[in-house]
Amino acid sequence: GQQVMQIPQYQHVQEGEDFTTYCNSSTTLSNIQWYKQRPGGHPVFLIQLVKSGEVKKQKRLTFQFGEAKKNSSLHITATQTTDVGTYFCAGQGGSYIPTFGRGTSLIVHP
Amino acid sequence: DVKVTQSSRYLVKRTGEKVFLECVQDMDHENMFWYRQDPGLGLRLIYFSYDVKMKEKGDIPEGYSVSREKKERFSLILESASTNQTSMYLCASSHDRGPPQYEQYFGPGTRLTVT
Repeated sequence: GQQVMQIPQYQHVQEGEDFTTYCNSSTTLSNIQWYKQRPGGHPVFLIQLVKSGEVKKQKRLTFQFGEAKKNSSLHITATQTTDVGTYFCAGQGGSYIPTFGRGTSLIVHP
Repeated sequence: DVKVTQSSRYLVKRTGEKVFLECVQDMDHENMFWYRQDPGLGLRLIYFSYDVKMKEKGDIPEGYSVSREKKERFSLILESASTNQTSMYLCASSHDRGPPQYEQYFGPGTRLTVT
């Protein structure tokens, strides 16, 4: 079945440094979604990418969808303590059920 | 504002008990999901429902069953709880099937401990 690998599992950064998490799918995706889960909270939808090579920005967050629609990345510029949490990607392929990656936990040191 | 509510935030049950986890959404969403979340394993789909009385197995359905008698309510049932079912359980809902899939809205989660 479809697998979505996400790396790294953890990332420690100093406040102000950049952060990137990557998702790779074993199959071509029709779309990919990104979610953020704050410590003690539940996942909250951030964005969805649909088109090959698509790039979307939300303030300091930049989301990319690969040309082959098999990989995606989330980049945060100049991290802040409010960025702390676990970031999940969820890819949808031939099935209409999305597959979640295992998540990347971001720890920001002030 | 979409709301997904779950019946309990914390639950402690004994091995062998039958456990019901309830989820209710108020946005008339067609799809509802049950996940379990364990450290290092991310979100694993247990069951999915795209309509009343319809259900599909996810990646880890063993030991679980579900019920969807009304559109807004999706129940997860542990027929005979075991210690390896100690976990955080998250319910989610979304519109339609897609693709592209509409975003999922998650409930606050139920932390279940089986002793």
